[in-house]
Amino acid sequence: ETGVTQSPTHLIKTRGQQVTLRCSSQSGHNTVSWYQQALGQGPQFIFQYYREEENGRGNFPPRFSGLQFPNYSSELNVNALELDDSALYLCASSSMTSLYGYTFGSGTRLTVV
Amino acid sequence: EDQVTQSPEALRLQEGESSSLNCSYTVSGLRGLFWYRQDPGKGPEFLFTLYSAGEEKEKERLKATLTKKESFLHITAPKPEDSATYLCAVPLYTGTASKLTFGTGTRLQVTL
Repeated sequence: ETGVTQSPTHLIKTRGQQVTLRCSSQSGHNTVSWYQQALGQGPQFIFQYYREEENGRGNFPPRFSGLQFPNYSSELNVNALELDDSALYLCASSSMTSLYGYTFGSGTRLTVV
Repeated sequence: EDQVTQSPEALRLQEGESSSLNCSYTVSGLRGLFWYRQDPGKGPEFLFTLYSAGEEKEKERLKATLTKKESFLHITAPKPEDSATYLCAVPLYTGTASKLTFGTGTRLQVTL
């Protein structure tokens, strides 16, 4: 059974640029959620995808967008990067039928300069 | 709005010195509480799910308990490898959507 895989592990971007982060969900999981974790804080919910559609969103602006593909993998896109977007971005996959299903990847460390 | 508060923010223990971490929550209709362990630069690793007041779960040196207002993570005779940030979270379900609301975590350091 494979876990959740995220890529890249680290990247550095310049303010104003765009970035795409990728996530492969755990086998058997059909739902993907993205979280932003600033240094010293708990993860904050960005949005969730189920059956290739966004079905829940946290308090993040529209420049944060995403996709889910038929194989349940997902992308997080962030446009017009700001310095405050610097954080660890976590992907979590889950199954709608299981409350145990929140499996997190190791995250992507994004630094905006 | 759901709120999760963890205390203390940081805890330093000597090896073998038992202690407890606290997670208090304000949730209407609790449908479970999760504990995770997070190592620096890594994603949270699942430890426990608790569903109802009075429930307890154990794993090695860790035991999680739940009351109607808070949860405790008891660490018995900790070892240096238990050093990590411990996060608690509560789920919110809206239709087909679900999200976790996390506390800010307790950073545990266990020294020899």
